[in-house]
Amino acid sequence: GAVVSQHPSWVICKSGTSVKIECRSLDFQATTMFWYRQFPKQSLMLMATSNEGSKATYEQGVEKDKFLINHASLTLSTLTVTSAHPEDSSFYICSGIKRDSRGEQFFGPGTRLTVL
Amino acid sequence: KQEVTQIPAALSVPEGENLVLNCSFTDSAIYNLQWFRQDPGKGLTSLLLIQSSQREQTSGRLNASLDKSSGRSTLYIAASQPGDSATYLCHDFSGGYNKLIFGAGTRLAVHP
Repeated sequence: GAVVSQHPSWVICKSGTSVKIECRSLDFQATTMFWYRQFPKQSLMLMATSNEGSKATYEQGVEKDKFLINHASLTLSTLTVTSAHPEDSSFYICSGIKRDSRGEQFFGPGTRLTVL
Repeated sequence: KQEVTQIPAALSVPEGENLVLNCSFTDSAIYNLQWFRQDPGKGLTSLLLIQSSQREQTSGRLNASLDKSSGRSTLYIAASQPGDSATYLCHDFSGGYNKLIFGAGTRLAVHP
C-alpha cells in the first residue's frame, strides 16, 4: 500500500483564526491530491482537487478564498481554512493518487477541526 | 450525473455470518471502483480496487465483484468478525476528477 499522513490530527481554534492542515504522501509521489470534508454520520464530500504546481479545482459551493489549497510538491498539499467559523468545524480528509496506480486513492487519517 | 447508492444503510449481524454489501451506480462508464472501510473518527482504508475491465477482486475474506452492465458492485465478507465493524464505502472513479463519487456507506456492526 501507500501511506498518507495528515497533521495535525485534531485542532481547536477560536473563531476568526486561520488553520493550516498538511497532507503528505510518505512513500509515493502523488500527482493529484484531493481534499474532502465529512460531517458526522455523513459520507465524504469532495471539496477540491489539486495537482502539483497548479491551482486547485474547487467543487461547486466551496469558497476558494476561504479554503486555500497549495500543492507545493508531489508529496505535500496544504489546506488553510481562513477566518474559521463554527460551521467550518468538520473532519477534513485528504487523499492522493499514486502515479501509475490505476487511479487508486490512498487516504490520510483525517483532521478533526473544532472552531469555538 | 453519476449517483452511487449503497444498500443496506446499516447492518447488524452475529459473528460468523457471511455478508453482502451492495453498491449501485447509474453511469456504467466507470474507470474503476474502490471499496473502503472507515472506522469512527478515522480516515479511509482501501480494501479492494476493481478496474473497469475486471469482474472481481479478492483479498483474504473479502471479495468484490463488478457488473458494469447492471451498474452494481458487491462486497462479500466471509465469516464476519467483530473487527469488521465499520462503515463501508464504495467509490466510483468515473475517469474524471469532477466525477469522484462516494456512496453514503453501510454501517456494519458484528457482535460476538
